[in-house]
Amino acid sequence: DAMVIQNPRYQVTQFGKPVTLSCSQTLNHNVMYWYQQKSSQAPKLLFHYYDKDFNNEADTPDNFQSRRPNTSFCFLDIRSPGLGDAAMYLCATSREGAGNTEAFFGQGTRLTVV
Amino acid sequence: RKEVEQDPGPFNVPEGATVAFNCTYSNSASQSFFWYRQDCRKEPKLLMSVYSSGNEDGRFTAQLNRASQYISLLIRDSKLSDSATYLCVVRPLTGGGNKLTFGTGTQLKVEL
Repeated sequence: DAMVIQNPRYQVTQFGKPVTLSCSQTLNHNVMYWYQQKSSQAPKLLFHYYDKDFNNEADTPDNFQSRRPNTSFCFLDIRSPGLGDAAMYLCATSREGAGNTEAFFGQGTRLTVV
Repeated sequence: RKEVEQDPGPFNVPEGATVAFNCTYSNSASQSFFWYRQDCRKEPKLLMSVYSSGNEDGRFTAQLNRASQYISLLIRDSKLSDSATYLCVVRPLTGGGNKLTFGTGTQLKVEL
């Protein structure tokens, strides 16, 4: 059974039209991440939550926002999508803290901007 | 300098070959290391964690060299199904202890 679930798998949105991607987890992990991955590139961290503490990457555009209403759910809001925001968006979770705690990924949402 | 660097490849090898990938990282405070595998248009999946003493899982061997700040992945007896992109992932202990940083990945193509 999938432990990190992203919806939708594929999203088409219009240029400038706000869009929300969702992620849920059944692992009860403290940490949730949002990554953006473009073709042939590494996943790029946008932000992550440690419990309710939000950690934004310095180079994440203001156009990207996130919400984590509870442990299980996390949302990525793109306020005004541009053509350059077309990418695969990956949600991941991990347990807090030290040690070799791996991250578990959802299947991703592939965003197309038209 | 990138935080995590990998040779993007592609590495084209015949079935049955042994192939090795290296990855270097810049943050000496890095604490946890992983190799992930990513198939085309799919999410990354954990291949193996990398422990200080090195570790092996079947045909796969991972090594860590803290002094030189690199990790390696060795694949023996390559199979066609090993064709994928292999991502090196690093987690620092301090300054963002929960942040996972990915390398750009090394593409492996195993051929008949």
